[in-house]
Amino acid sequence: DVKVTQSSRYLVKRTGEKVFLECVQDMDHENMFWYRQDPGLGLRLIYFSYDVKMKEKGDIPEGYSVSREKKERFSLILESASTNQTSMYLCASRLAGNQNTGELFFGEGSRLTVL
Amino acid sequence: DQQVKQNSPSLSVQEGRISILNCDYTNSMFDYFLWYKKYPAEGPTFLISISSIKDKNEDGRFTVFLNKSAKHLSLHIVPSQPGDSAVYFCAASRWDTGNQFYFGTGTSLTVIP
Repeated sequence: DVKVTQSSRYLVKRTGEKVFLECVQDMDHENMFWYRQDPGLGLRLIYFSYDVKMKEKGDIPEGYSVSREKKERFSLILESASTNQTSMYLCASRLAGNQNTGELFFGEGSRLTVL
Repeated sequence: DQQVKQNSPSLSVQEGRISILNCDYTNSMFDYFLWYKKYPAEGPTFLISISSIKDKNEDGRFTVFLNKSAKHLSLHIVPSQPGDSAVYFCAASRWDTGNQFYFGTGTSLTVIP
């Protein structure tokens, strides 16, 4: 079974702090994604990566950056956390291949609260 | 701009009856659709998918129907069980931007024993 592991389930940070959210997958998937989930807004794509050192902006990249130095690891970085970044963050991975078929495998999520 | 919409935030159904969850989309270029199930404090898990070349896909108690002309898909769960109580998200993608999955806002299903 595919396992997507997010390093922190719950984090509490202060406004202005730098925040790192780590994600590791163990199935050699090429594609990795970061989403945030907010009530009434569903899941919104922040960034995705289709290969090591490659990244693409999603729908809401402002205030975030990402890093993919190794195939199995995809990090989300909040350079200066703000209260409107309080959310559930979900990492996902997917096997590349057929352009748009194949499901996303999600991690358990990281609940971030910014005070 | 929400390209995938789930207009019912919640649904309650008696155990053993049918649950029907609906999803509408606006982009006619979408050609692959998925349903995900999410329990509280867990990540979404894949449930079932359908390609636009089909109008129905079945997997056990779960069936997804696609009506391309109406830009509408639905998930049927028969019979509903208490363990099905969760939030259900539909998602869509298109072949030329395959890494972009667009999610709906979710429907919270409660199956009453």
